[in-house]
Amino acid sequence: GAGVSQSPSNKVTEKGKDVELRCDPISGHTALYWYRQRLGQGLEFLIYFQGNSAPDKSGLPSDRFSAERTGESVSTLTIQRTQQEDSAVYLCASSLVRSANEQFFGPGTRLTVL
Amino acid sequence: DQQVKQNSPSLSVQEGRISILNCDYTNSMFDYFLWYKKYPAEGPTFLISISSIKDKNEDGRFTVFLNKSAKHLSLHIVPSQPGDSAVYFCAASGSMYSGGGADGLTFGKGTHLIIQP
Repeated sequence: GAGVSQSPSNKVTEKGKDVELRCDPISGHTALYWYRQRLGQGLEFLIYFQGNSAPDKSGLPSDRFSAERTGESVSTLTIQRTQQEDSAVYLCASSLVRSANEQFFGPGTRLTVL
Repeated sequence: DQQVKQNSPSLSVQEGRISILNCDYTNSMFDYFLWYKKYPAEGPTFLISISSIKDKNEDGRFTVFLNKSAKHLSLHIVPSQPGDSAVYFCAASGSMYSGGGADGLTFGKGTHLIIQP
C-alpha cells in the first residue's frame, strides 16, 4: 500500500504569509507525528496525534503554529505569519499504534520563507 | 542543549569494511534507542532499535551496541556496501510504547556515511 505522503513537496513563501502543510498517513495508522528539520540540525519533534486528538501541544515552536487532524486521517500543519526562521523541512510520520520504532516517515515538505 | 549527540557530521568508509557510527545521550530517562537511515529527498526509514535492558541487538549486517553507564550507543555495519551511503540518525525515546510520549523521538543531527568503492 501507499506510504505516508506530504504536500506540497516544496513551498516558497514570503515572510508574513500563512502556509498550510498537508500529511496523508498510512491508512489505518492511528498515531501521527510532525517533526521539523532545520538545515544542519536533527529532527525536532513538534506534535503528535492519537486519533484526532493532540494531547500535548507544547512542542510547537510558537503560537503561530497549529495543527489539526480529521477523520483519523489527514493532518494539516498551519504556520501563520511565517518568519525566516520557519524555513525547514517539515516531516510527518505515522504509526499503527503509539510506538517508538514503528514510525513511518513521509518525504517531507521543504519550506523556504524569503 | 542537545540531548542526543552525533559528533561526527560525516564518515567515509571503504566498501567491504566496517562502518561504526557513534551516538551519545545525556538524558538518563531515555530507555529506548533507534537508528534511522535517510536518503536525499526521502523521509527517514527505521533501521534498528535497542531497549535499555539489552546491550546488543543484531539484524543482518547491522548491530547496535548500547553502553548505559557511558550513555553511548553505536551502530556497526559490516560489510559496508555502496547502498549504505546515507545520513544516519540516532534517536531516543522515554519508552518503547509511548513514541516518546508527548516529546516524540529525540534525534541527533545525523552522520553522513559515505561508502567508497
